[in-house]
Amino acid sequence: KAGVTQTPRYLIKTRGQQVTLSCSPISGHRSVSWYQQTPGQGLQFLFEYFSETQRNKGNFPGRFSGRQFSNSRSEMNVSTLELGDSALYLCASSLGTSGSRETQYFGPGTRLLVL
Amino acid sequence: LAKTTQPISMDSYEGQEVNITCSHNNIATNDYITWYQQFPSQGPRFIIQGYKTKVTNEVASLFIPADRKSSTLSLPRVSLSDTAVYYCLVSGAGSYQLTFGKGTKLSVIP
Repeated sequence: KAGVTQTPRYLIKTRGQQVTLSCSPISGHRSVSWYQQTPGQGLQFLFEYFSETQRNKGNFPGRFSGRQFSNSRSEMNVSTLELGDSALYLCASSLGTSGSRETQYFGPGTRLLVL
Repeated sequence: LAKTTQPISMDSYEGQEVNITCSHNNIATNDYITWYQQFPSQGPRFIIQGYKTKVTNEVASLFIPADRKSSTLSLPRVSLSDTAVYYCLVSGAGSYQLTFGKGTKLSVIP
């Protein structure tokens, strides 16, 4: 079974721009979660989608948004980029039926650098 | 969600057994204890999960005492490739949000 894939792997943007990251979950997985990882704040939950609906949301500003398509693929968008948005963005997929105790499978991440 | 506390870092020599203890005093009845491993610039990877007593798989063992207020991840005979950050999480059925703490940075020394 193919793992979780994320594109692009690396991205450089400037302040004020917007960016869209993509995640393809493991086949059969209907839940996709997004996390931001920075050296200072560690791994922080952004949001989770299941069957094209946002089911859980973390404590991030509205500049961070996401969506999920009917094939479970997901995208996240960050608008009006700030320097502090530089981070590793991780996507994780799971079946989506047993809560957070389900094994979540993480992708390799997208490294975003905001200049 | 119950908060977890674990050592910031640990050092071990190759071939030794490593035990990483995690405290989760406010764990709820329906919560499970899950451990993830993360290498630099990669996503976390599931290692093991348990509810009580002992769980063992091909990678590690997880010991959970009767009061479930703590747990211990045991890695037998570590190698250099086990150098990573290990996260202890408390996971429930009511949310799909994983709450990561700072984790334990394990350094294996040759």
